[in-house]
Amino acid sequence: DIQMTQSPSSLSASVGDRVTIPCRASHSISSYLNWFQQKPGKAPRLLVYGASTLQSGVPSRFSGSGSGTDFTLTITNLQPEDFAIYYCQQSYSLPRTFGQGTKVEIK
Amino acid sequence: EMQLVESGGGLVQPGGSLRLSCEASGFTFSSYWMHWVRQAPGKGLVWVSRVNGDGSSTSYADAVEGRFTISRDNAKNTLFLRMDGLRVEDTALYYCARVKNAIWDAFDIWGQGTKVTVS
Repeated sequence: DIQMTQSPSSLSASVGDRVTIPCRASHSISSYLNWFQQKPGKAPRLLVYGASTLQSGVPSRFSGSGSGTDFTLTITNLQPEDFAIYYCQQSYSLPRTFGQGTKVEIK
Repeated sequence: EMQLVESGGGLVQPGGSLRLSCEASGFTFSSYWMHWVRQAPGKGLVWVSRVNGDGSSTSYADAVEGRFTISRDNAKNTLFLRMDGLRVEDTALYYCARVKNAIWDAFDIWGQGTKVTVS
């Protein structure tokens, strides 16, 4: 199985900050990497797929980059509604696996 | 509006069974791969199973292989997850999710989840 590692598990940031959330795969997954946002009591929301393609309706302050084993989700000009947990997920092979999540908290 | 609505969760004793349903609307259900993903209380997301558009191809996580069965009824726009031999560790919120396209296999539509408690 491909392990997805997200570190740190949480980070503190302020409104207006630029935030980078890393994700590492245990084996190369090319660009088969997706990012999700989850708020308390809500289902996950797809933000980025194929490592760097923004899902329709997602604000342009979100962006994804990387390929192979190292990936990053970047949020520029952090907004109050962006405080949430962010998960990466590989769609390269079965079983599909998620990172453990990075919680973005208010500083 | 494209939507997925799960149902069928509940409280069950260890060793018991449940069948979850996920009703789709607003899109051509039979054209899409569908998945089940679960989330234990306070924990992260874990993939459970998937099925292709016509129901002929299925896959499972090792933790549920042999106990869970995914299926679909395209005439009723409904996805199912039959869960037998339930264990305490199967306690979770179960989401169904649609795959955006066959290339990137990203889950673009999710249901609200149905809660399964094994105790």
